[in-house]
Amino acid sequence: DTAVSQTPKYLVTQMGNDKSIKCEQNLGHDTMYWYKQDSKKFLKIMFSYNNKELIINETVPNRFSPKSPDKAHLNLHINSLELGDSAVYFCASSPKQTSSYNSPLHFGNGTRLTVT
Amino acid sequence: GQQLNQSPQSMFIQEGEDVSMNCTSSSIFNTWLWYKQDPGEGPVLLIALYKAGELTSNGRLTAQFGITRKDSFLNISASIPSDVGIYFCAGRSVLYNQGGKLIFGQGTELSVKP
Repeated sequence: DTAVSQTPKYLVTQMGNDKSIKCEQNLGHDTMYWYKQDSKKFLKIMFSYNNKELIINETVPNRFSPKSPDKAHLNLHINSLELGDSAVYFCASSPKQTSSYNSPLHFGNGTRLTVT
Repeated sequence: GQQLNQSPQSMFIQEGEDVSMNCTSSSIFNTWLWYKQDPGEGPVLLIALYKAGELTSNGRLTAQFGITRKDSFLNISASIPSDVGIYFCAGRSVLYNQGGKLIFGQGTELSVKP
């Protein structure tokens, strides 16, 4: 199946721990994203990578560090987890964006992170 | 920062009724997208709009890219129980388009009573 897949689907951990979420897409897309969905369902972009290069870095704490080993993977590492990091994190991908071509994002099914 | 205002926030309707929701932005957009999110899953694209005035249908769904390029609406006709979910508008601002940044509305939670 062609898709954006992320693991794990659920992640429960204690404050202060370090955790990673992995994302892979087999759609052949050049651009990958991380979005955070809060308890009110609001989706906010965190990072965007185009062919392994960081393009967007919103005002996200530097405890969050994305890593893109190749254009099909974008992992998210979070250090020193805090209660406020609890949310659903979505990975997404799209073909390369240009000034004349804007394509939709394809989303994974999310990772629900609970920090206790 | 750039914001999208989506309304209504929630709707409770009877099966068979038509539904309408809309989004407005404070700046001009060059792309409007409508997504649906089911519980425990990621948003799934319903309709993509790329030109001002464009009207596009996908089955019982119809969406339009506003002439002013600052708004879009989504209509669902003859709703059925499986239409239940959260509907999001999303768009790309002409000004804030770095890296294909997609901005989302707050979502409209739709409940359909059989």
